[in-house]
Amino acid sequence: DTEVTQTPKHLVMGMTNKKSLKCEQHMGHRAMYWYKQKAKKPPELMFVYSYEKLSINESVPSRFSPECPNSSLLNLHLHALQPEDSALYLCASSQASSGATYEQYFGPGTRLTVT
Amino acid sequence: AQSVTQLGSHVSVSEGALVLLRCNYSSSVPPYLFWYVQYPNQGLQLLLKYTTGATLVKGINGFEAEFKKSETSFHLTKPSAHMSDAAEYFCAVSDQPSGGSYIPTFGRGTSLIVHP
Repeated sequence: DTEVTQTPKHLVMGMTNKKSLKCEQHMGHRAMYWYKQKAKKPPELMFVYSYEKLSINESVPSRFSPECPNSSLLNLHLHALQPEDSALYLCASSQASSGATYEQYFGPGTRLTVT
Repeated sequence: AQSVTQLGSHVSVSEGALVLLRCNYSSSVPPYLFWYVQYPNQGLQLLLKYTTGATLVKGINGFEAEFKKSETSFHLTKPSAHMSDAAEYFCAVSDQPSGGSYIPTFGRGTSLIVHP
């Protein structure tokens, strides 16, 4: 199974709402990533978890809160978002051996609209 | 530090014509190189990768790319375009283990348009 799944596929939320995005993989990957992607732009890295620990936070506003409950799951909790946060949110996973680099496997994304 | 330059934000070809998408990189150490494709409203899918060894790399859907160290290039080609190839293509570079992290740097993307 080389699939990364993401739910929901689409999400519309108001600026005062609290919602969560979910990502799951069963490839045994120990690195998981959240990216934000605007239309016709490359993905922008937000967070990286390595062995269930947050290893990289690319200065993301605190209204985005990541969580990695176990090695297969990755969540992104959203609160008090702004309209400019509307984007495609992509989850990815990869192997994470020390001193190694592997390709990333991406999920289909969650299309988020903030109203 | 690593960076990627994709020449041309849009490339337009006729169905059956050669596809050539250009990618140049800079890296302080020998790089890992990747091409990803993104169809509308989907995530990114790995087309092919270069790590070590043979410099001509074959990928899925008939695509291939050649690593040219002297030119710091990793151009993507396909002999004959299909309508289904219309998508956004991203070149990415990642430093090898001795050089740095495992986070790839993406190019800005090239939109491939295929005309009937």
